[in-house]
Amino acid sequence: NAGVTQTPKFRILKIGQSMTLQCTQDMNHNYMYWYRQDPGMGLKLIYYSVGAGITDKGEVPNGYNVSRSTTEDFPLRLELAAPSQTSVYFCASSYLAGVYEQFFGPGTRLTVL
Amino acid sequence: KQEVTQIPAALSVPEGENLVLNCSFTDSAIYNLQWFRQDPGKGLTSLLLIQSSQREQTSGRLNASLDKSSGRSTLYIAASQPGDSATYLCAVKFNQAGTALIFGKGTTLSVSS
Repeated sequence: NAGVTQTPKFRILKIGQSMTLQCTQDMNHNYMYWYRQDPGMGLKLIYYSVGAGITDKGEVPNGYNVSRSTTEDFPLRLELAAPSQTSVYFCASSYLAGVYEQFFGPGTRLTVL
Repeated sequence: KQEVTQIPAALSVPEGENLVLNCSFTDSAIYNLQWFRQDPGKGLTSLLLIQSSQREQTSGRLNASLDKSSGRSTLYIAASQPGDSATYLCAVKFNQAGTALIFGKGTTLSVSS
């Protein structure tokens, strides 16, 4: 199993541009998550999904959108990139919530100039 | 608000020392606690997962303990090596925080040879 994969690894955007960060998991997990990590800070939850067609906001959802059309994929969309969205983005998945472990992808490093 | 705190923020030790990293959390009602390792510019590697019903978990030279009543966890690293140099993150899944892991800011460990 590849686990959780993310593309791209790195990206530089100009202010106002849009992009989609891709996330795929092959563990048949129901729950998927997007976190962001700013320098010197802990990770914060942006959005999560409990299954195909169901998503909900996390702690820092402004400026982002998500969709979940399949169990495997959970893309994160930035519509109008801003410098405040410069961060490292991690996708994660778990079988269910509660006691189940979350597995993380390798991250996407995004810079908005 | 549920919070996770890690002290110290940075730690330097000579090779061979045994060391303890600390994690404290504000609410004893938790599902589980995970310790991660993060190398510079890299993703998160899960080290140990402790469920709320457990007191400790061990993996090789690593031992993590959990004391829910006092809101504390420790990560013990035996016979430290330069390859252990990394940032160690503690993350807690609180019962009332929905599905999110709440992360501490991490302890950056440097082991000198």
